Amino acid sequence: GAVVSQHPSWVICKSGTSVKIECRSLDFQATTMFWYRQFPKQSLMLMATSNEGSKATYEQGVEKDKFLINHASLTLSTLTVTSAHPEDSSFYICSATPEAYEQYFGPGTRLTVT
Amino acid sequence: QKEVEQNSGPLSVPEGAIASLNCTYSDRGSQSFFWYRQYSGKSPELIMSIYSNGDKEDGRFTAQLNKASQYVSLLIRDSQPSDSATYLCAVKGGSEKLVFGKGMKLTVNP
Repeated sequence: GAVVSQHPSWVICKSGTSVKIECRSLDFQATTMFWYRQFPKQSLMLMATSNEGSKATYEQGVEKDKFLINHASLTLSTLTVTSAHPEDSSFYICSATPEAYEQYFGPGTRLTVT
Repeated sequence: QKEVEQNSGPLSVPEGAIASLNCTYSDRGSQSFFWYRQYSGKSPELIMSIYSNGDKEDGRFTAQLNKASQYVSLLIRDSQPSDSATYLCAVKGGSEKLVFGKGMKLTVNP
């Protein structure tokens, strides 16, 4: 299967600071990538669809000014959590689709805001 | 609103048994169907995809799709303790987005 990486795998930051998470497709080009968030014992929640060269499409209820997404190339999308607060602590996972159908997930980034 | 329903579980089976996981979906126009496995603290891993009616087998896993009944299932034969995880059913329609079920936690007891 296709390989998607994320960096960092975990991060601890102080309240009010910003954190950037990178998502890379290692062996394929991805026009579209997706960002999810998962709280403990809950299902995946799609936050936004990241499109190379254009603005991201955010799901209802997701603050686009707080969660900045940049898809600068066909292999890299970044999610920046701005002015992070403890309630933003979560497991952030990206995914990408090498072809039209199957979606592969990165290993995830665990964010803790203190 | 497009929905994907999975039995809430949890499901517990003895080692060596067949585990059966079921999923129904609301969007009759859905074209692609996936099963992901998610170990605790890890991200989802794609284990099966199915696009046409019938069965698709891959090792100990068999996915079954019935579009008329809007039903997709996953059978795990000869279940192993390492199969213990949460299994997510996902459906894709006309857009690139996946719609996920809430997941079914499977425990395989040695």
